[in-house]
Amino acid sequence: GENVEQHPSTLSVQEGDSAVIKCTYSDSASNYFPWYKQELGKRPQLIIDIRSNVGEKKDQRIAVTLNKTAKHFSLHITETQPEDSAVYFCAASKVNTGFQKLVFGTGTRLLVSP
Amino acid sequence: GAVVSQHPSWVICKSGTSVKIECRSLDFQATTMFWYRQFPKQSLMLMATSNEGSKATYEQGVEKDKFLINHASLTLSTLTVTSAHPEDSSFYICSAILAGGRDTQYFGPGTRLTVL
Repeated sequence: GENVEQHPSTLSVQEGDSAVIKCTYSDSASNYFPWYKQELGKRPQLIIDIRSNVGEKKDQRIAVTLNKTAKHFSLHITETQPEDSAVYFCAASKVNTGFQKLVFGTGTRLLVSP
Repeated sequence: GAVVSQHPSWVICKSGTSVKIECRSLDFQATTMFWYRQFPKQSLMLMATSNEGSKATYEQGVEKDKFLINHASLTLSTLTVTSAHPEDSSFYICSAILAGGRDTQYFGPGTRLTVL
């Protein structure tokens, strides 16, 4: 089955710096890669996603890149703010297969210091 | 749109009792719902996939007789933790996919279960 690895496990940056979180996946058939932000005790919130027919997607300060050949994808947050502090999870899935099961990475705790 | 609710938000129970958690899609119909468990400082682990009108599909290592899932309608799935023990204490989160939708999962707010 699919296995998703995520690095780093913790990331501390100064406000205004950029943050990059990387994930690798094992199943070449995976074709949907969402990123979730989870604050303590709250539900995961989708912040951006990318499908395998696209190499990069951007939404304001957040961008995701996908390298299908290397089977890795990354989350880029620019101009970080203290409210970006949270745990971020990447995930991989095979859509259009009937069961869109998400396999999550282990999470990255991002701390943005003022 | 695409709001998922869970009830209760937290529950404390005695060891050996059963606890039922509800997951509802409030403004859409969901043919598929998922149940996850999340231990402190860990990732979300899929427990089972719940399809309306059929039996749930459990992940390897998840006891189907202990974690009973019922998806009786297009807006409601329930998870019953039977004979709960302290090791079942966790954060249980459901998610739902819009009927006819392809990929985006909408998550509920989670239920924190504490078994004494």
